[in-house]
Amino acid sequence: DIQMTQSPSSLSASVGDRVTITCRASQSVNSYLNWYQQKPGEAPKLLIYAASTLQTGVPLRFSGYGSGTDFTLTISSLQPEDFAAYYCQQTFSAPLYTFGQGTKLQIK
Amino acid sequence: EVQLVESGGGLVQPGGSLRLSCAASGFTFSNFAMTWVRQAPGKGLEWVSSISGGGGSTYYADSVKGRFTISRDNSKYTLFLQLNSLRAEDTAVYYCARVLVAAHGSDVFDIWGQGTMVTVSS
Repeated sequence: DIQMTQSPSSLSASVGDRVTITCRASQSVNSYLNWYQQKPGEAPKLLIYAASTLQTGVPLRFSGYGSGTDFTLTISSLQPEDFAAYYCQQTFSAPLYTFGQGTKLQIK
Repeated sequence: EVQLVESGGGLVQPGGSLRLSCAASGFTFSNFAMTWVRQAPGKGLEWVSSISGGGGSTYYADSVKGRFTISRDNSKYTLFLQLNSLRAEDTAVYYCARVLVAAHGSDVFDIWGQGTMVTVSS
């Protein structure tokens, strides 16, 4: 099974900060890597797929990078609505999928 | 409007059973694989099970294999998850989601329901 490890598990930042979240796969997943955002009490929302492609409607301050085993999600300038949990997901082994354990982004 | 609405959650004793439903609308249901994802209280997302558009192929996480059964009724635009032999660790919000094959050939879970809570406790 492919394991996904995110770091950090939690992160405190301020509005306007640039933040980066890392996701590492236990084996290569090529570019089959998605990112989701989840706000409290809500369902997850797709942000980025295929490692770097923004889902329609997602602000350009979000970006994704990486291939193989190492990936990053970057928010260039944090907005108040960005404070949420973020999850990576590998789909290389589809239709068996794995999520990272999540990163909780909190206001400093 | 493309929408998924789950139902069927509740409180059940350990060893008990429950059947979750996910009603789809706004898209041609049979054209899409569907999936269930769960989230234990205060924890992360865990993929549970997936089913092909026609229903002929099903897949399960090791943690639920042999206890849960995914199925679908394409004529009624409904996805199901039968939960048997429930354990305390199955307590979670269960989400259904649509599986879309995006550009680049990558699967994404692009539409999610609001979730239904399953609590396993005596």
